[in-house]
Amino acid sequence: RKEVEQDPGPFNVPEGATVAFNCTYSNSASQSFFWYRQDCRKEPKLLMSVYSSGNEDGRFTAQLNRASQYISLLIRDSKLSDSATYLCVVNTGFQKLVFGTGTRLLVSP
Amino acid sequence: DGGITQSPKYLFRKEGQNVTLSCEQNLNHDAMYWYRQDPGQGLRLIYYSQIVNDFQKGDIAEGYSVSREKKESFPLTVTSAQKNPTAFYLCASSQAGGRTGELFFGEGSRLTVL
Repeated sequence: RKEVEQDPGPFNVPEGATVAFNCTYSNSASQSFFWYRQDCRKEPKLLMSVYSSGNEDGRFTAQLNRASQYISLLIRDSKLSDSATYLCVVNTGFQKLVFGTGTRLLVSP
Repeated sequence: DGGITQSPKYLFRKEGQNVTLSCEQNLNHDAMYWYRQDPGQGLRLIYYSQIVNDFQKGDIAEGYSVSREKKESFPLTVTSAQKNPTAFYLCASSQAGGRTGELFFGEGSRLTVL
């Protein structure tokens, strides 16, 4: 089983739609969790950290479910500019960050 | 502007040749990392360094070498021993040794072996 698993997609949604991605992790001792965004052929950039209580940043909401070992990212009112690959990143401890393969989102007019 | 600079952006190499990818940061970060990204795969850690003159192997270090003689610089050499070197290479740095999870990436170097 992979340490971090994501549905590769692509998720095709129209502008204005709400879309959600999940990411599962295998190591129950994992300490912290993040979502990164990567545009085509570019470097990843931190989108948001994921806290136990959940957190929101504008149209983006991240949730953590430790019991089921998954994190989620919800995007409301999708924009064309949200089209990208979203990477789930898990800090499994010992300063080791494990990246998922990413979920590709395509927002169409 | 503070950031991470990788060079070259694109590099072509013949089989059997070593090549060195440059990574320089002016963020005053202690930790630096090299990742490799292949299509359909997540980023995989090659080497990382938490402090000058010290570095550790990541998950896929075979066929690669690094040095950390200065805080700002962490070059990666792809040796001829690397069986499948064609990939997108990303250098990153972080302030807290990766504990926070916030990595700052360079724009990447795309290596193609002919």
